[in-house]
Amino acid sequence: DVKVTQSSRYLVKRTGEKVFLECVQDMDHENMFWYRQDPGLGLRLIYFSYDVKMKEKGDIPEGYSVSREKKERFSLILESASTNQTSMYLCASSAKSGTDNEQFFGPGTRLTVL
Amino acid sequence: AQKITQTQPGMFVQEKEAVTLDCTYDTSDQSYGLFWYKQPSSGEMIFLIYQGSYDEQNATEGRYSLNFQKARKSANLVISASQLGDSAMYFCAMRERAGNQFYFGTGTSLTVIP
Repeated sequence: DVKVTQSSRYLVKRTGEKVFLECVQDMDHENMFWYRQDPGLGLRLIYFSYDVKMKEKGDIPEGYSVSREKKERFSLILESASTNQTSMYLCASSAKSGTDNEQFFGPGTRLTVL
Repeated sequence: AQKITQTQPGMFVQEKEAVTLDCTYDTSDQSYGLFWYKQPSSGEMIFLIYQGSYDEQNATEGRYSLNFQKARKSANLVISASQLGDSAMYFCAMRERAGNQFYFGTGTSLTVIP
């Protein structure tokens, strides 16, 4: 059974804290993605990575950074959390090529920044 | 311009009836893939159905079918014989051949009424 796992389902942090969200996939996928989901706005891409140590900015990268040191792991970092980063964060992975390769999603992390 | 447009923020359907969720897309690529995902209140994104741009037949997966009209750039999801468990958010997405990114719509919230 293929899986994308995220380190936490729920997380509460304080303003100014450094926050790490971890994502691991076991499908040997080249591509990994971090999305943010807010009501009425759908999924917005923060960053994605198409190979180890490679990354590209998505639509809303401000206030976030990422790290991909190993193929199976993609981390999202909030350097200094702010209340407007309270949201649902979804990690996904997909095979590199082929328009028929869907994304597989993790269960999501609901982050609250107080 | 939006790559994926879902114009129905919320929909209601009677149990056992069929419902159509709208999706239009915008791309200049000749090769692309269209996906529908379901997101229950638990938050996890579940892949439902895929349609390739070169597929001549509409995709079907159990009670889900995709009404693909290439000239109109629409890929509507049809759910037949709705069940209470179909109540969820539904997202339409597209992957173009050029690039690794997926584009998502803002979603449609479906409520099935007993």
